[in-house]
Amino acid sequence: DAGITQSPRYKITETGRQVTLMCHQTWSHSYMFWYRQDLGHGLRLIYYSAAADITDKGEVPDGYVVSRSKTENFPLTLESATRSQTSVYFCASLAGKGEQYFGPGTRLTVT
Amino acid sequence: GESVGLHLPTLSVQEGDNSIINCAYSNSASDYFIWYKQESGKGPQFIIDIRSNMDKRQGQRVTVLLNKTVKHLSLQIAATQPGDSAVYFCAENVGAGGTSYGKLTFGQGTILTVHP
Repeated sequence: DAGITQSPRYKITETGRQVTLMCHQTWSHSYMFWYRQDLGHGLRLIYYSAAADITDKGEVPDGYVVSRSKTENFPLTLESATRSQTSVYFCASLAGKGEQYFGPGTRLTVT
Repeated sequence: GESVGLHLPTLSVQEGDNSIINCAYSNSASDYFIWYKQESGKGPQFIIDIRSNMDKRQGQRVTVLLNKTVKHLSLQIAATQPGDSAVYFCAENVGAGGTSYGKLTFGQGTILTVHP
C-alpha cells in the first residue's frame, strides 16, 4: 500500500530500555522528519533527513538517534528511554515545500 | 491564536457557520506558511499553504489570509461541518534551503468543535 506507515502503533517500555520506532514511506520522498507531540507543546521536531545518509538535529534531539540507510526508511531510536520521552511520535515525509505527509503516529509510554 | 501553557485555544461553532482560526507566527524571515488539520488519533493532514509574497489564497471552503506586518495568519472555513471538528495547526517554513528545505515550526494548535 502506498503511503507512510509507523510501527509499532503503541509501545510501553521501562526506563533505561532502548526503543526503536520505525517509519516507512513508499513515495521515495527525499525529506523525512520525526516529531513528538505533547499537550501544550504542539509538534516539535526531533530530527530530519534530506536524503539517505544525511540527517540533522531538530529542536529536541537529546536522547534520540536516527539513521537513514535507505530512502524509504527512517528509524528513530531512544537509546535509554526516560519518562520525559513518553509522547506521541509522528514521522513525516515531504511532498512539496510545506506539504508533509504524516504517519498515523506511535504512542510511547515509558514507565 | 497561539497558546502558552497546557490549554489550547478553542473555537466552538454551529454547523453552517463560518469559522476563523488565528495564528501568530514568530519568524519574520519565514517565507512559506501552512495550515494542518489533525483529527483525534491521527496524524496532521495538509489543508492549504501560502507564500509570503501573497496575502490571500483560497481553496475548497477554506481561505488563508496572511498579514506580514503583524505576523498574523488566519484560516477561514466556510459553512463549517461536523467533520471539520479537529485541532488546526499553523506552521511556518524556517528553512532557507539545502538540508533545511521543508523544515517547519508548528504553532500549538486551536481546537475547533462544530455542533450539529
